[in-house]
Order: sequence, then C-alpha cells, then structure tokens
Amino acid sequence: QVQLKESGPGLVQPSQTLSLTCTVSGFSLTSYSVHWVRQHSGKSLEWMGRMWSDGDTSYNSAFTSRLSISRDTSKSQVFLKMNSLQTEDTGTYYCARNWYDGLFDYWGQGVMVTVSS
Amino acid sequence: DIQMTQSPASLSASLGETVTIECLASEDIYSNLAWYQQKPGKSPQLLIYDASSLQDGVPSRFSGSESGTQYSLEINSLQSEDAATYFCQQHHDYPFTFGSGTKLEIK
Repeated sequence: QVQLKESGPGLVQPSQTLSLTCTVSGFSLTSYSVHWVRQHSGKSLEWMGRMWSDGDTSYNSAFTSRLSISRDTSKSQVFLKMNSLQTEDTGTYYCARNWYDGLFDYWGQGVMVTVSS
Repeated sequence: DIQMTQSPASLSASLGETVTIECLASEDIYSNLAWYQQKPGKSPQLLIYDASSLQDGVPSRFSGSESGTQYSLEINSLQSEDAATYFCQQHHDYPFTFGSGTKLEIK
C-alpha cells in the first residue's frame, strides 16, 4: 500500500541546515509528485515545495532562497534541505503525495523538528 | 499569495448536531478547494476536493459547497470520531495555501 515516511534530526541549532528524507513505498516517484508541508505546533499548514514526477521542482517563494528539494528514484526517496534555520522553523514537517494537482491524498506521519541551541 | 480566511477558529457541538465551517478565498479559486481533517497527533486526511466532491471512504455526512469565493464544509449527524481540526486548502495557484484551521469539539 502507499506509504510515506519522513526521517531526520529532531533538533537543529539556529543558523544550521535541516536535512530531511521522505521514503516512499507503494508508488513510483516517476509517476507521482511529492510535496513538503510544514505545521507549526498544531497550527496551520504551510506548503513548502514540490518534487515533480519528471524531476523538476517548485518552491514557495517564502523559502526559495534557502530551500532545496531533490530525490533519488532508485531509493524511492525525496530530500528536503533548508539552510539558515531559525526558531520560527520549529514545527512538524510532512511529505505528502500529489493526487492530482495540488491535492494531497497520502501523508507521512510527520517529523518534529525543533530549532534551538 | 491567495489568502484563505477560515472561521470559526473553534466550535463545540453535540452528538447528532450539524455544524458548518467556512473559508473565504481572497480571490477566485474556481472551485479548487479541498478540506482536510486532522486528529491529534495524526497527519491531515483529505475529505473533500473540488469544493464538493467526497474523497473515497469519507462518510456521506460530510459535504462541501460554494458561493462565489466562500466555501463551506458541513458535517451532519455529528459523531464522536468527528472531533478534529479541519483545514481548507486552495490548489488553484502557487503557493498552495491553507486556512488557519477550525477545532471541532464534540460535547
């Protein structure tokens, strides 16, 4: 069945770089896009960016200068890298599969990231 | 960016009642509106897409409607398992944006 699972460090120091991995199963990254969405402490959701099935990427301009999304199709993994982290980047980071444009039909469990020294 | 103004922020209702949650888009999003349900400690789940289409497996007591740039989620015959936070999301234009959420408590 379709599954997505995020992994990465739970604690990152301010000004450092966050690296997260989304490992998917039950579908191919060459057939479906995968998005990254974050949530601050149970509050609202914020779309960060997208890895398209053809390998292209789209980003929320709020993150453009410090966000990078990449993938390894052989490992069914999508990666998020964001630099210059600040305390306001604390939250839960989700990867989600794109069903049809901009709709998220399957989500990972989320990974909680705290930015603190 | 398209702003999604969601209301109310919270509401409390009894079993069997009907509740309505609303989202106002800052511009025309041409029915490209989804509703998600999120239970504590869980990921969001897609309930409704294209403003009024029910996702597979979602109970028929959930329904969506629209009037201009105002979108509504109605939940009939409230059940205890409906206690959750509900979010709207526009997928008409980048960046995709969400409402601020409505926390539903079942009395």
